[in-house]
Amino acid sequence: AQSVSQHNHHVILSEAASLELGCNYSYGGTVNLFWYVQYPGQHLQLLLKYFSGDPLVKGIKGFEAEFIKSKFSFNLRKPSVQWSDTAEYFCAGSGGYNKLIFGAGTRLAVHP
Amino acid sequence: KAGVTQTPRYLIKTRGQQVTLSCSPISGHRSVSWYQQTPGQGLQFLFEYFSETQRNKGNFPGRFSGRQFSNSRSEMNVSTLELGDSALYLCASSLGEPSSGNTIYFGEGSWLTVV
Repeated sequence: AQSVSQHNHHVILSEAASLELGCNYSYGGTVNLFWYVQYPGQHLQLLLKYFSGDPLVKGIKGFEAEFIKSKFSFNLRKPSVQWSDTAEYFCAGSGGYNKLIFGAGTRLAVHP
Repeated sequence: KAGVTQTPRYLIKTRGQQVTLSCSPISGHRSVSWYQQTPGQGLQFLFEYFSETQRNKGNFPGRFSGRQFSNSRSEMNVSTLELGDSALYLCASSLGEPSSGNTIYFGEGSWLTVV
């Protein structure tokens, strides 16, 4: 069955620290992968997406992710986090048509 | 342009009742999908509609149903509510499929509490 897993459920960082959130997918065929962010009290917003081509994908707000096919991974990175990055981050894969299969999410808390 | 709009934003229902949630997609979007978000189960796909046809369905009991109207607006209904149905219900819309480069946009959700 198709699945997406996120390694860390809670991450606590200080401002200016580097961030890497893990995501692994388990399904074959065409791979479309996404990272969404949910800020407190706000709706899910797309950070970045991968369809094909360059495995290093750049998104909004300084985030990037690298698709590594051999490791079935799509990890999210940011070189220097800010307090405003405090949010919940979701990795997702396409499950056909417009169905998204989400990972469990990672709650990130950034302390000033 | 206006985003995905969901109504009502908050509601409280009693076990055994039914509830209808409404979603207005972004103008021009013909695909509407629904998700349930709970602390324990995370984000789970309910179903997706495109031009009034259900194209995909998640693993939820038959108490969960939906429909889409000719103007692309969508409703979902939950009958015989159970305490475990308490959740944030999210609606999302898209112009087309992600494989074609389209983005799926989410609404702010409807918070349902079953007591």
